[in-house]
Amino acid sequence: AQSVTQLGSHVSVSEGALVLLRCNYSSSVPPYLFWYVQYPNQGLQLLLKYTTGATLVKGINGFEAEFKKSETSFHLTKPSAHMSDAAEYFCAVTYTGANSKLTFGKGITLSVRP
Amino acid sequence: ETGVTQSPTHLIKTRGQQVTLRCSSQSGHNTVSWYQQALGQGPQFIFQYYREEENGRGNFPPRFSGLQFPNYSSELNVNALELDDSALYLCASSTEPLAGGETQYFGPGTRLLVL
Repeated sequence: AQSVTQLGSHVSVSEGALVLLRCNYSSSVPPYLFWYVQYPNQGLQLLLKYTTGATLVKGINGFEAEFKKSETSFHLTKPSAHMSDAAEYFCAVTYTGANSKLTFGKGITLSVRP
Repeated sequence: ETGVTQSPTHLIKTRGQQVTLRCSSQSGHNTVSWYQQALGQGPQFIFQYYREEENGRGNFPPRFSGLQFPNYSSELNVNALELDDSALYLCASSTEPLAGGETQYFGPGTRLLVL
């Protein structure tokens, strides 16, 4: 069975500071990993995904994530936070044969202080 | 290109009633997945429809059912509503679920409140 753990429910950073949102997964087969962002009263928007190939994945809005198999992690980073980054972030996992069914973590709320 | 749309945006029902939520998939997509997102939680997979057939189901009771139409739009039906069914219901569309890494594109959701 797959699972995703997102440590901490809330992260607060200052504008311009590094953003680091942690995601660890559990999967008995090679995973496909996703980060989605959800703004208030909206659906989910894909930030980036890892399927195969390069383990450092670049996404939209300056975000990137690195797949580390040995650590079963897929942490999301952004070098410099912007006020508009304040939102809820979800990590999700699926795998071949799962019919693209996504298993999500509980999400992390990112606050950005002026 | 039209994205995923859902209707209605908000809905209030009482316990025991039935509800139908609707989703129009993104152009070119033939697969629709439904998720339930309770307050403060991540989305949970309900089921997926591919070419009008159910193609996988999560841990939800049979009173959650669905349909997919020839134009790939979809409905989620919930019978005998319970208070715990109050949530944001998200629809996502994608291309054929073959390799597993297909991106799911989400609609804005329908917020259901059961009183």
